[in-house]
Amino acid sequence: EPEVTQTPSHQVTQMGQEVILRCVPISNHLYFYWYRQILGQKVEFLVSFYNNEISEKSEIFDDQFSVERPDGSNFTLKIRSTKLEDSAMYFCASSVGGGETQYFGPGTRLLVL
Amino acid sequence: GDSVTQMEGPVTLSEEAFLTINCTYTATGYPSLFWYVQYPGEGLQLLLKATKADDKGSNKGFEATYRKETTSFHLEKGSVQVSDSAVYFCALSDYWRNQFYFGTGTSLTVIP
Repeated sequence: EPEVTQTPSHQVTQMGQEVILRCVPISNHLYFYWYRQILGQKVEFLVSFYNNEISEKSEIFDDQFSVERPDGSNFTLKIRSTKLEDSAMYFCASSVGGGETQYFGPGTRLLVL
Repeated sequence: GDSVTQMEGPVTLSEEAFLTINCTYTATGYPSLFWYVQYPGEGLQLLLKATKADDKGSNKGFEATYRKETTSFHLEKGSVQVSDSAVYFCALSDYWRNQFYFGTGTSLTVIP
């Protein structure tokens, strides 16, 4: 069964460093998403992406964040200058259409020191 | 705005007990409703969904009915197993805004 994959599974970085989180969505899906889950808190929407552009973004998704689909398979989330409060689990998801069931990857646990 | 309120945990049950996890929602439109499950160390997996009022989603013995009149989507299972121990998230999908809204998650531990 097709699934969303994410790399790396864990990343530790120093405050102020740039990180890139990678995702490979399900191949026939057209919509892509990033969410984050700070430890012990709810899963929060960051951004949705369709047709090579951002379709929705939350207040969390400020200028420090960017997303890109650099080729036909990968979908990346970049954090330019990480802060301590960026430490969280980041989930990628994809769906066939907008508003359809989203399928989630296993997540990347980011720790900013 | 749209939101989901979920029963606080953690919940501890004995094997074969009946499970209910409450979920209510607020939405301006006609959302789809979902339950996702997160097993230890893993990502979110779709458990079941319902796309319109009075629909019942079911999977692996779990069920939930989309109740528009009470804006609820409570998760139930008649007889839980140790393997059901996980965190359960209620979510709604706002079709027009193309994003999911999640509840805080309810941790379930089933003891033999």
